[in-house]
Amino acid sequence: QKEVEQDPGPLSVPEGAIVSLNCTYSNSAFQYFMWYRQYSRKGPELLMYTYSSGNKEDGRFTAQVDKSSKYISLFIRDSQPSDSATYLCAMSSMNRDDKIIFGKGTRLHILP
Amino acid sequence: DSGVTQTPKHLITATGQRVTLRCSPRSGDLSVYWYQQSLDQGLQFLIQYYNGEERAKGNILERFSAQQFPDLHSELNLSSLELGDSALYFCASSTLAGGPSYEQYFGPGTRLTVT
Repeated sequence: QKEVEQDPGPLSVPEGAIVSLNCTYSNSAFQYFMWYRQYSRKGPELLMYTYSSGNKEDGRFTAQVDKSSKYISLFIRDSQPSDSATYLCAMSSMNRDDKIIFGKGTRLHILP
Repeated sequence: DSGVTQTPKHLITATGQRVTLRCSPRSGDLSVYWYQQSLDQGLQFLIQYYNGEERAKGNILERFSAQQFPDLHSELNLSSLELGDSALYFCASSTLAGGPSYEQYFGPGTRLTVT
């Protein structure tokens, strides 16, 4: 079983729709959960991070973590064509000798 | 623009050759991370340096090595290149000192093609 699983997509939704992106993981030591956005031919950029369980909201973006189910989600409200990108989940225990494990990313297309 | 710069943008080379990728972190960031991104494996952590010292190692092959210089720029050296080394190589930097950081700023990457 891979440490982090993420559906590669592509996921195509109409402009204005609510988008749900998800990842599952197997390592119960993970405490920090992140979402990165990567536009074509660019480096990833941090969208949001969450510590432990719960929800975090930032504008149109909401990150959810359910540690009991080892499941994290990113919701995008009122999706825009500019949201079209690859979204990578990432997680870590953040211990000194640990590393960040990234999902392979979900390609998202917002159709105008 | 993240403030992290990487050169070159593209590199095409033959199997068996050696290349050097260069990264300059954001001003003030002491930690540099190197990642490899391929369609098969996704984004894989290779190695981290903090203020000139190796801090953490990931899935880095023995043919690969890195260093961070006193001016904090870093170089990733890839030798005896194989076709499977073709990938995007990203550098990231952060302000945090020890271990991984949840807030990393990525450069634009170097696309390596081995023929």
